[in-house]
Amino acid sequence: RKEVEQDPGPFNVPEGATVAFNCTYSNSASQSFFWYRQDCRKEPKLLMSVYSSGNEDGRFTAQLNRASQYISLLIRDSKLSDSATYLCRITGGGNKLTFGTGTQLKVEL
Amino acid sequence: NAGVTQTPKFQVLKTGQSMTLQCAQDMNHNSMYWYRQDPGMGLRLIYYSASEGTTDKGEVPNGYNVSRLNKREFSLRLESAAPSQTSVYFCASSEGTVNYSNQPQHFGDGTRLSIL
Repeated sequence: RKEVEQDPGPFNVPEGATVAFNCTYSNSASQSFFWYRQDCRKEPKLLMSVYSSGNEDGRFTAQLNRASQYISLLIRDSKLSDSATYLCRITGGGNKLTFGTGTQLKVEL
Repeated sequence: NAGVTQTPKFQVLKTGQSMTLQCAQDMNHNSMYWYRQDPGMGLRLIYYSASEGTTDKGEVPNGYNVSRLNKREFSLRLESAAPSQTSVYFCASSEGTVNYSNQPQHFGDGTRLSIL
């Protein structure tokens, strides 16, 4: 099993839809969790950190499920501009950093 | 505020040639990283520097060397380029030293490197 796994997608959703994707991790000692957004041929940009109690930033909600070892990203009221690849980053024990391969989201008219 | 700056943005090399990718950050960050990104493989850590004066291997260090020249600059060198090193290379930085991996990273806009 890979240390961090994401469904590559693409997730094709209409504008205004709610979409969610998960990122599963294998190391139960993982400590820190992040979601990044990457546009085509651009660098990854931090979208949000994921806190134990869950957190929200506008239309974006991130949650952590330690028991099942996954994090999730929910996007409400999808915009065309949300089209991108969403990468999770998990920090395991011993300062090990691992990115997922990303989930592609396409928001359509 | 430029953030993380990488040079060059594009490069084509022949097999066996050497080159150095440059990275500089102006955020006074202590930790810096080099990643490569390949289709279907995601971002893989090549080397990192948790603080000035230290460097450590990441997941895929073979064929690369790094130098943390000072707090601002972290360079990646390919001594003898191979076609398998064709990739997009990203430099990143984060703020702290202790528990540096628990902090968000800021990325440069990448170097697209092709080895023929």
